[in-house]
Amino acid sequence: DTGVSQDPRHKITKRGQNVTFRCDPISEHNRLYWYRQTLGQGPEFLTYFQNEAQLEKSRLLSDRFSAERPKGSFSTLEIQRTEQGDSAMYLCASSLVLVTSGSYEQYFGPGTRLTVT
Amino acid sequence: AQKVTQAQTEISVVEKEDVTLDCVYETRDTTYYLFWYKQPPSGELVFLIRRNSFDEQNEISGRYSWNFQKSTSSFNFTITASQVVDSAVYFCALSEARKLIFGAGTRLAVHP
Repeated sequence: DTGVSQDPRHKITKRGQNVTFRCDPISEHNRLYWYRQTLGQGPEFLTYFQNEAQLEKSRLLSDRFSAERPKGSFSTLEIQRTEQGDSAMYLCASSLVLVTSGSYEQYFGPGTRLTVT
Repeated sequence: AQKVTQAQTEISVVEKEDVTLDCVYETRDTTYYLFWYKQPPSGELVFLIRRNSFDEQNEISGRYSWNFQKSTSSFNFTITASQVVDSAVYFCALSEARKLIFGAGTRLAVHP
C-alpha cells in the first residue's frame, strides 16, 4: 500500500513565474485535500475534492491559485504569478469517507516546499 | 468559529521523562472529531489518533495515551518514558468531517 506522493518535493522559482504541483493520493481514497504550511505554523486548509468535484475553497485560495482533480485520481495545484508570500510547504492529503463508517482521518504526503525569490 | 489552541510552543525533556502536550478546542458543533498528528524533522505529517465527540474514553497505545474531556474542551496527549525518537512537532486538529483545523503545534525535544 503506497502512501500519498507529491511532486516535486522542492521548487525554487522567481517571482512572477507560474508553478504547478502534483499529488497522487492513496488509490482507494475518494477525498483529496490541499493545505499550506508556513514556518512555525500548523497546516491551513486550501481546498478539497470529493472524487473529481471541488467542493470547498478557503479564502486563502486567491484567484492566482487553481486546483484540479481530473477523473478523480491525481490532483494538481497551480499558482500563477507567484509572489514571495506564496513561499510555504504545500501539503496534500487524502482520506476515505464512507457514508456508513464516517472515517475521516487524513493521510498526508511529504509536501512540496516552494521558495519564491 | 472553530479553533484549536496548543499553548505550549516548545517542550524540552530528558529521555525517560513523561510529557503531556495540551490541546484545547472550540466548536459549536455537537458532532466533531479530534486528531493528533506528529511531524518529525523529515516533514511528513503522521496520523496518530482520531477521537469522535461521543467517545470520551481515554485511549492508550503503547507509550502514548490520550485524555479527552468534553467538559473542559481538551484533548491532551501524554508520552510515557519519552525517547529521542519522539522528538518532533505535534499537532492537534479538529474536524467537522471536511477540513482539518490545526493548532500551531508543540515542538518536543527529547534529549539523551
